[in-house]
Amino acid sequence: AQSVAQPEDQVNVAEGNPLTVKCTYSVSGNPYLFWYVQYPNRGLQFLLKYITGDNLVKGSYGFEAEFNKSQTSFHLKKPSALVSDSALYFCAVRDVNTGGFKTIFGAGTRLFVKA
Amino acid sequence: GAVVSQHPSRVICKSGTSVKIECRSLDFQATTMFWYRQFPKKSLMLMATSNEGSKATYEQGVEKDKFLINHASLTLSTLTVTSAHPEDSSFYICSARDGDSWRNTQYFGPGTRLTVL
Repeated sequence: AQSVAQPEDQVNVAEGNPLTVKCTYSVSGNPYLFWYVQYPNRGLQFLLKYITGDNLVKGSYGFEAEFNKSQTSFHLKKPSALVSDSALYFCAVRDVNTGGFKTIFGAGTRLFVKA
Repeated sequence: GAVVSQHPSRVICKSGTSVKIECRSLDFQATTMFWYRQFPKKSLMLMATSNEGSKATYEQGVEKDKFLINHASLTLSTLTVTSAHPEDSSFYICSARDGDSWRNTQYFGPGTRLTVL
């Protein structure tokens, strides 16, 4: 069975500092990984995805994520946080080997960026 | 990027009434759409997968007679909450995949906040 863990309910960071939002996954086959962001009372916005290739994936709004197969992690990063980055972030995974049909979401991590 | 819209964005109804939520893919065709429910401060729970022209596939524990899903065209899926009760109050989000391949990305609508009085 596939699963996603986001170990931190909340991450606090000062504006201008680098940020990391953690995600680990478990799939039986090859993972297909995503990050989404949700602003209050809004749907999810796609940030980036990893299928194969370079372990460092660049996405929208200056975000990037690093795929680490040995640690089964896909942490979201940004070199310099903005107050406007404050939102709820979801990591998600699809299991390619089972057809990649169902996307499983982590519990979400709330990011607070303080000015 | 691909855009998914939902209507209405917010609805308040009386207990016992039915509510229909529309989900549209605006600039792409979606053979598969997904309906999620999100509780406060919780992750998304997949309710059902909607395939154009066929019956929806419901997740375990989701009542198919209560949450009616219709995917009549490649750009429209509807979720009808029948005989709504206060416990159905939630944030409902639809999603559409921009192709049939597992590689395709899921795009999400802005959500519909349902409040049942």
